[in-house]
Amino acid sequence: EAQVTQNPRYLITVTGKKLTVTCSQNMNHEYMSWYRQDPGLGLRQIYYSMNVEVTDKGDVPEGYKVSRKEKRNFPLILESPSPNQTSLYFCASSPGGAGGYEQYFGPGTRLTVT
Amino acid sequence: QKEVEQNSGPLSVPEGAIASLNCTYSDRGSQSFFWYRQYSGKSPELIMSIYSNGDKEDGRFTAQLNKASQYVSLLIRDSQPSDSATYLCAVYGGNKLVFGAGTILRVKS
Repeated sequence: EAQVTQNPRYLITVTGKKLTVTCSQNMNHEYMSWYRQDPGLGLRQIYYSMNVEVTDKGDVPEGYKVSRKEKRNFPLILESPSPNQTSLYFCASSPGGAGGYEQYFGPGTRLTVT
Repeated sequence: QKEVEQNSGPLSVPEGAIASLNCTYSDRGSQSFFWYRQYSGKSPELIMSIYSNGDKEDGRFTAQLNKASQYVSLLIRDSQPSDSATYLCAVYGGNKLVFGAGTILRVKS
């Protein structure tokens, strides 16, 4: 089954404790992206990756890092989480290029930072 | 910063009516346009994509694009209670995908 998976689905942590949210896709997509969703603000892009060689900041990159060492995986890293990073996070992928940019979303990770 | 604007709603329509959802965007260089549906607590799912001016129909859904006016719309014909959800407009350009905040649609039976 073609899908984007994220882990964990739910996470409660404390301020300053480093964490990683994993994202993996099995569709051989080039483009991958991370979003956070907050009430009233919609989905905001954190980072995106055009392919394994090109990664760039989205609209809200502060406090986040990403890594794209292989095509299928795109983990999101919070080096020192703070309460304002409490949010619902989505990973998504697209074929990219001529294949288009329709995003296929993972199930989401609900993060709470206390 | 690129912006995508949507009326937050809620938009209430009776069952069987046509629901009309609208979206405007700021970047004239935008290339691709998408509508997603999101149920509460779930991830967004793609409904329609449109790339050129005009209408694109898929079942009960019609997307309309007017690049000169920087305007995208989604029409849902014969609305059903199961269409009740938040509808997100998304615009791709410059390697980035920007989403609107979404319009809540409520279909009353």
